[in-house]
Amino acid sequence: QSVLTQPPSVSAAPGQKVTISCSGSSSNIGNYYLSWYQQLPGTAPKLLIYDNNERPSGIPDRFSGSKSGTSATLGITGLQTGDEADYYCGTWDSSLSAWVFGGGTKLTVL
Amino acid sequence: QVQLVESGGGVVQPGRSLRLSCAASGFTFSSYGMYWVRQAPGKGLEWVAVIWYDGSRQYYADSVKGRFAISRDDSKNTLYLQMNTLRAEDTAVYYCARVAGAVIKSYLDYWGQGTLVTVSS
Repeated sequence: QSVLTQPPSVSAAPGQKVTISCSGSSSNIGNYYLSWYQQLPGTAPKLLIYDNNERPSGIPDRFSGSKSGTSATLGITGLQTGDEADYYCGTWDSSLSAWVFGGGTKLTVL
Repeated sequence: QVQLVESGGGVVQPGRSLRLSCAASGFTFSSYGMYWVRQAPGKGLEWVAVIWYDGSRQYYADSVKGRFAISRDDSKNTLYLQMNTLRAEDTAVYYCARVAGAVIKSYLDYWGQGTLVTVSS
């Protein structure tokens, strides 16, 4: 059972929008910045969003992040089949003195 | 460009030891904290350990505490993970990752390709 809670799966049609939630507590999301990672099948994870809502160079603006209190959301617009992947949220947890990941969300583009 | 290349994985019997390495290039290694993250077959990401940029602090997941040790050799631009008393549940792909930002704003900005560790008799 992960410290950060994500839905196991989400799906949407090409061109549509999807959101992935990440819920935590005051010891992690509530007091630390959140990042999101994309893991395409058979590959290493890649940074998608950092500092709650910042995109690294090369990440299209179809991907966005937001945070409110102890929850965060990853948004993906204009879905493409190439977006099919597992998505993870992550942040530091001060109570555990540990980095924590969400359990991951599998995105299916129907 | 930033590159992280893990090595040292393989098949090992339960109770034995293994040392993983992560060779870094393309950046000033001594200026960055480093993580080990693992992923069991078909499972999600699990954080394993972190070492501060200056080696002054290390933290471990409860699942590996007392068995694994993270270290670094800045003269060789290399991160290590010494894994002792291995168990079947340690079977996973092990990734090293670079930490960017201060603790409160930290994130993993570059990842290696991973090395597979299989613990089996």
